[in-house]
Amino acid sequence: DAGVIQSPRHEVTEMGQEVTLRCKPISGHDYLFWYRQTMMRGLELLIYFNNNVPIDDSGMPEDRFSAKMPNASFSTLKIQPSEPRDSAVYFCASSLKHSGGNGYTFGSGTRLTVV
Amino acid sequence: TQLLEQSPQFLSIQEGENLTVYCNSSSVFSSLQWYRQEPGEGPVLLVTVVTGGEVKKLKRLTFQFGDARKDSSLHITAAQTGDTGLYLCAGARGRDDKIIFGKGTRLHILP
Repeated sequence: DAGVIQSPRHEVTEMGQEVTLRCKPISGHDYLFWYRQTMMRGLELLIYFNNNVPIDDSGMPEDRFSAKMPNASFSTLKIQPSEPRDSAVYFCASSLKHSGGNGYTFGSGTRLTVV
Repeated sequence: TQLLEQSPQFLSIQEGENLTVYCNSSSVFSSLQWYRQEPGEGPVLLVTVVTGGEVKKLKRLTFQFGDARKDSSLHITAAQTGDTGLYLCAGARGRDDKIIFGKGTRLHILP
């Protein structure tokens, strides 16, 4: 298995532009998670899905952020409009279970810079 | 308030030395995991502990879950430059709860 695949690896955009981050989870994993990582706040859970259905989006910072999972093999995280404070590394992770012994498998992340 | 406190935040030691990093909380966790993250990559799961007092070994790494399941430690024996990275602990408070992460210990092993 190729693991969790994220694209793009790097994104530089101007303030106000729309940004779309993409994720392909591991086949057969029922759970998909979107995290944001910064030096100040560490890894923050934004939203997670179970069987393509959003379960908990309480970590989504504001209405400018939205996430979709149209099928079991694809998810997107969209920021519209983007702001400089959104600059961070965004990770997608997938898991067989919600928690417990399986752990999460992370992608390599998308480093977003908003100028 | 950070639910999982990791210490130290930064640690820089010489190759060959031993070290211990800690993960503490006032909450009880049903399971706790340790991940290592290298620059430019996502975290990679090292181990999961689920039983109070449990000790697991992974080559030169020893992981321990506290008896009360509120804390954990990671001990590295004879550190190598390849051990450099960000070590994250993560825990789930309930069987069906989402995992939350500490901010990590950034470890740098000097040659």
